[in-house]
Amino acid sequence: NAGVTQTPKFQVLKTGQSMTLQCAQDMNHNSMYWYRQDPGMGLRLIYYSASEGTTDKGEVPNGYNVSRLNKREFSLRLESAAPSQTSVYFCASSFEVGGDYGYTFGSGTRLTVV
Amino acid sequence: DAKTTQPTSMDCAEGRAANLPCNHSTISGNEYVYWYRQIHSQGPQYIIHGLKNNETNEMASLIITEDRKSSTLILPHATLRDTAVYYCIVRSQTGTASKLTFGTGTRLQVTL
Repeated sequence: NAGVTQTPKFQVLKTGQSMTLQCAQDMNHNSMYWYRQDPGMGLRLIYYSASEGTTDKGEVPNGYNVSRLNKREFSLRLESAAPSQTSVYFCASSFEVGGDYGYTFGSGTRLTVV
Repeated sequence: DAKTTQPTSMDCAEGRAANLPCNHSTISGNEYVYWYRQIHSQGPQYIIHGLKNNETNEMASLIITEDRKSSTLILPHATLRDTAVYYCIVRSQTGTASKLTFGTGTRLQVTL
């Protein structure tokens, strides 16, 4: 049981390049999330998907797009990377039981845009 | 979304109890309080969560005041490995979606 798996773990991009961050969970969770964390700050929500086929914007969605490919996979795309997008990106998934939620986070993707 | 307020940093001697406070005065009646921690830049690790009753698990205890406007995370016997940033989070619900909104957390330093 791997939990939440993110790839790649590290990436360096040049300004203007595009890339897709991959996230997969094997826990049969309905909801998935993408967060970013800048140095010295807490995590900020970029996008989330409450269920397969739905996506919604979070706190900081500008410059990103997402795809909920199926129940397991939720990808984050940077179409034209900017230095301001240098950050650590975390994917998470959650389940619900009777209004109570459990969340699991991946180990992160460290992205540098030069 | 309900906001949380935590001290920026705290120190604790190894073997002693670490008591981390959190204020969430705007919490709604059906919103849960979650605690996560982050060691270095690893992914956040779940510690405990609760609604209104006090909770205990193998890692920690969570004490929620009767009015639910504040809570305290207790690590009963802190070790050096408990040095981390601890986040108190109120989960918000929008339709079928739930979200965790992180603040800046409390940096706990456990010392010898």
